[in-house]
Amino acid sequence: AQSVSQHNHHVILSEAASLELGCNYSYGGTVNLFWYVQYPGQHLQLLLKYFSGDPLVKGIKGFEAEFIKSKFSFNLRKPSVQWSDTAEYFCAVRVSGGYQKVTFGTGTKLQVIP
Amino acid sequence: GAVVSQHPSRVICKSGTSVKIECRSLDFQATTMFWYRQFPKKSLMLMATSNEGSKATYEQGVEKDKFLINHASLTLSTLTVTSAHPEDSSFYICSAGRTREGNEQFFGPGTRLTVL
Repeated sequence: AQSVSQHNHHVILSEAASLELGCNYSYGGTVNLFWYVQYPGQHLQLLLKYFSGDPLVKGIKGFEAEFIKSKFSFNLRKPSVQWSDTAEYFCAVRVSGGYQKVTFGTGTKLQVIP
Repeated sequence: GAVVSQHPSRVICKSGTSVKIECRSLDFQATTMFWYRQFPKKSLMLMATSNEGSKATYEQGVEKDKFLINHASLTLSTLTVTSAHPEDSSFYICSAGRTREGNEQFFGPGTRLTVL
């Protein structure tokens, strides 16, 4: 079975700082990878996803993530965070193909200080 | 975009009663819906996969007799928490898959259940 680990549980940054959130998964086969964001009081929204092709994926709101197959990693990055990026971020993995279940990491709470 | 709704958004009930939560895909048909439970400061835990017209597939450790799932149509799945107890208090989230979006799942806003 697949699993996901997020190394940072709580990150505090000042506005304009750069962000990188770690995500590693374990599964030997082909996977789809996702980053979701949950703003305070709101539901989960998809930030970006990787299915195949270019391992550098660009998402909404200036976020990007890079799939490194050899490291089983899918780290999320943003060059300059804003206060509005304060939220909880979840990395997720799904075995490729069909309506397979999505396995979520434990989440990283990002707090951006103005 | 694809929209998934849940009703109610918040429910408080007495211990021993049953609560039904609805999950609807508003603008697309979803042959598969998923039910998750989110604990405070923890990740989402998949409870079950719901397929239209067939029995739900439950994850290990999830009591199927306690958490009844019915996927009656391509746009509606329901989760019934039977004989609820305070330890069932949680945030329940559903998601629905849409083939056109590469099998991406779209999440509902969640239902906060509090059992007194």
